[in-house]
Amino acid sequence: DAKTTQPNSMESNEEEPVHLPCNHSTISGTDYIHWYRQLPSQGPEYVIHGLTSNVNNRMASLAIAEDRKSSTLILHRATLRDAAVYYCILRRANTGNQFYFGTGTSLTVIP
Amino acid sequence: DTEVTQTPKHLVMGMTNKKSLKCEQHMGHRAMYWYKQKAKKPPELMFVYSYEKLSINESVPSRFSPECPNSSLLNLHLHALQPEDSALYLCASSQDYGTGVTGANVLTFGAGSRLTVL
Repeated sequence: DAKTTQPNSMESNEEEPVHLPCNHSTISGTDYIHWYRQLPSQGPEYVIHGLTSNVNNRMASLAIAEDRKSSTLILHRATLRDAAVYYCILRRANTGNQFYFGTGTSLTVIP
Repeated sequence: DTEVTQTPKHLVMGMTNKKSLKCEQHMGHRAMYWYKQKAKKPPELMFVYSYEKLSINESVPSRFSPECPNSSLLNLHLHALQPEDSALYLCASSQDYGTGVTGANVLTFGAGSRLTVL
């Protein structure tokens, strides 16, 4: 399985943008890039996903490098409720739908 | 209904007990998953069911026995567990599973069942 590398932790001030990086240098052409987050005492929740183009939804934006070897999850205005562990996951579409979680980034939002 | 419901939320059991964890979804999803999560670690995939058939078993010890009675229900039967099996057990579902699945096939997780083995 293709691996992802994320910083262990990051901090952000409340109401400022947050850029969470993810490296996936062994990504293959059929791998989708997914982001999930896990708030304390909850199961992971879907945030966003993409294949080649940048994506926006109500929660976040996903910026994908042209060579697809890295991506960045962008939270436009961090709130205290965004404090969570953010996981970047590659999902290989042509061999099933297994999601293997990496170590993730623990985001702390400072009031 | 966009939820995955897991019961019980908390379970304490002895090493000789037999217990079960239950998971239910009513989103019409055809794939269901069990994950195990130890404290401050990422979730680890255990089992995947697709159309009520076991598709993936990630070399999980036989003291964990999954069951998918129908497309909405997923059970995890527990027997002769060890203290190191104490963890948060997460259930998830997705619309489909298998080759050719589209990128829109995201996972929906339940809140988990926290298991303590004494």
